[in-house]
Amino acid sequence: QVTLKESGPALLKPTETLTMTCSFSGFSLWTAGMRVGWVRQPPGQAPEWLARIDWDDQKFYSSGLKSRLTISKDNSGAQVVLTMTNMNPVDTATYYCAQIGWGNAFDVWGQGTMVTVSS
Amino acid sequence: VMTQSPATLSVSPGEKATLSCRASQNIGPNLAWYQQKPGQAPRLLIYGASTRAAGVPDRFSGSGSGTEFTLTISNLQSEDFAVYYCQQYNNWVLVTFGPGTTVDFK
Repeated sequence: QVTLKESGPALLKPTETLTMTCSFSGFSLWTAGMRVGWVRQPPGQAPEWLARIDWDDQKFYSSGLKSRLTISKDNSGAQVVLTMTNMNPVDTATYYCAQIGWGNAFDVWGQGTMVTVSS
Repeated sequence: VMTQSPATLSVSPGEKATLSCRASQNIGPNLAWYQQKPGQAPRLLIYGASTRAAGVPDRFSGSGSGTEFTLTISNLQSEDFAVYYCQQYNNWVLVTFGPGTTVDFK
C-alpha cells in the first residue's frame, strides 16, 4: 500500500525559505518509473502543480515558480524534499506531495500540510 | 489554460451529472479528473481522459480528447457531492488544474 506524508513548518515569515519533506512507503524512488510531485492549494482555490522528480533524478518545475523551487530525493529513496525561497503571503496554502502513476496523473496523495506566511 | 463549466451544478441523488472541461490548446488524451471533499486531498478518478483509477465506481466515466472533455457521474450518490477538478499533463512544464466544478445538493 502506497502512503505519503508531508512535513514542514506551519508558519513562516515573509522572505523566509520553505523546506517541505515528503516521506513515503510502498514504493522506492530508486525503482524505474517511479515519480513524485508537489502540488499546493491556497484556501478556497484550485490546486497548483509545483514540481516533479523522477527515479532517474530528472526534475520538472512549474514555469512560473521555477526560479524559487528546488526538488531533490534522498539516498534512501523514501523521501523527497522541496524548497521554495522568498516566501510571501500569497504562498499561503496546503502543500501536498503525491505519487505520479503510470497514467501520468497524481495517483496517491499525502494528507497535506497547511503553511501560512505572515509577519 | 483549463476552464470548467458549470462552476456549480445542483443535482438530486439518482440523477446524472455532466461536467465539462476545456483546454486552450490540444492536449490529446492527457487529462485527469479529481474529486475533492472538504478537508481532504484530491482523489484521482480518471486519467488518460477515460480510464478509471483503481477502486473508482463505474458510475464515473470520462470522455473527450484534444480540447473538449467530459466527466459524467451516473446515478449520483450522496458521497459524490464534492468539487471536481480537471488537470492536463500534456506538457509537464505547464501542468495545470481547472478552477473546479462544485456538485451540490439540489
